[in-house]
Amino acid sequence: DAGVTQSPTHLIKTRGQHVTLRCSPISGHKSVSWYQQVLGQGPQFIFQYYEKEERGRGNFPDRFSARQFPNYSSELNVNALLLGDSALYLCASSLGQTYNSPLHFGNGTRLTVT
Amino acid sequence: AQTVTQSQPEMSVQEAETVTLSCTYDTSENNYYLFWYKQPPSRQMILVIRQEAYKQQNATENRFSVNFQKAAKSFSLKISDSQLGDTAMYFCAFMKHGVGTSGTYKYIFGTGTRLKVLA
Repeated sequence: DAGVTQSPTHLIKTRGQHVTLRCSPISGHKSVSWYQQVLGQGPQFIFQYYEKEERGRGNFPDRFSARQFPNYSSELNVNALLLGDSALYLCASSLGQTYNSPLHFGNGTRLTVT
Repeated sequence: AQTVTQSQPEMSVQEAETVTLSCTYDTSENNYYLFWYKQPPSRQMILVIRQEAYKQQNATENRFSVNFQKAAKSFSLKISDSQLGDTAMYFCAFMKHGVGTSGTYKYIFGTGTRLKVLA
């Protein structure tokens, strides 16, 4: 079975631009989460969607938005990019929202803002 | 708010030896879950081991085991018979209990420990 897939793998953008990152969860998984991992730090929670509804949002500005589609795939959008948005963006999926449904991560999208 | 602290930024161990990575956390919750994830250079985070806080027995997964001290809020990872493939960043993570279907299912991660296994 395919794991969590993210696209693109790498991206270079200029300050002020907009970016869209995409994620396809493991088949059957209904929950998708997004994490930002700045170099040298642990992943920080951005959003979680379950059954196409937003279930939580981390401490990120309104420039960050996301959505989950009927097929459970997800997009993360970031507007008005800042240099500080440069990071590895990780998508994770899980079957449900319990301990027995641990997060499965993709390989991430490396975003560089110049 | 919960916090997770990993005080060892980098560690190294000889192949076949044993190494222990430290993790402490702060929470007012009584029931919660703890995890260790591994992130090799390929960037994919891989679940290594997990522990339910209400279980006193320490979790084990082959060469990986934890020492869970609830009162001390400590959750260390022991890797036995270290292999070159264990070289990676290791992250400790916390999740509170009782999210259910309406809460937010999220992990809180530490800053990681970079482990290098030497041949």
